[in-house]
Amino acid sequence: QKEVEQDPGPLSVPEGAIVSLNCTYSNSAFQYFMWYRQYSRKGPELLMYTYSSGNKEDGRFTAQVDKSSKYISLFIRDSQPSDSATYLCAMSSAGTALIFGKGTTLSVSS
Amino acid sequence: DVKVTQSSRYLVKRTGEKVFLECVQDMDHENMFWYRQDPGLGLRLIYFSYDVKMKEKGDIPEGYSVSREKKERFSLILESASTNQTSMYLCASSTPGTGSYEQYFGPGTRLTVT
Repeated sequence: QKEVEQDPGPLSVPEGAIVSLNCTYSNSAFQYFMWYRQYSRKGPELLMYTYSSGNKEDGRFTAQVDKSSKYISLFIRDSQPSDSATYLCAMSSAGTALIFGKGTTLSVSS
Repeated sequence: DVKVTQSSRYLVKRTGEKVFLECVQDMDHENMFWYRQDPGLGLRLIYFSYDVKMKEKGDIPEGYSVSREKKERFSLILESASTNQTSMYLCASSTPGTGSYEQYFGPGTRLTVT
């Protein structure tokens, strides 16, 4: 079983839709959970960061961590064409390197 | 703004050549990383460095080496390039901190080995 599993998609939605992106993981020591966004031909950029369990909201984006289920989610409300990108989950335990998911490609059509 | 720059956006090299990929960051970050990104495989860590002259192997170090002579510069070296090293190479940097979670990435170098 891979440490981090992420459905690669692609995921296509109309503008204004609510998008749900998910990752599962197997290492119960993970405490730090991130979502990175990568536009085509660019490097990834940090979008959201959550420590341990719980929710975090930033504008149209909400990150959720359920450590009991080893499951993290990123929700995008009122999705826009500019949200079209690849979304990478990443996680780590204290003092260790990040482990990335393979990324989910999202396309939002206007 | 944090800036991580990579020496080339696109590079074409021949099998057996020695290849240098350079990365420079301007935020005085201690930590620097080299990844490769391949379709269906995601981001895989090649090497990382927590300080000048220090290096640690990542998940896939075979066929690669690194050099960090100055804090702002981290070089990835392909000793003898092979076709299976054709990939997108991404450099990142971060401040020390638990998990080094906030990594800043460069734009990437797309390397083709023929």
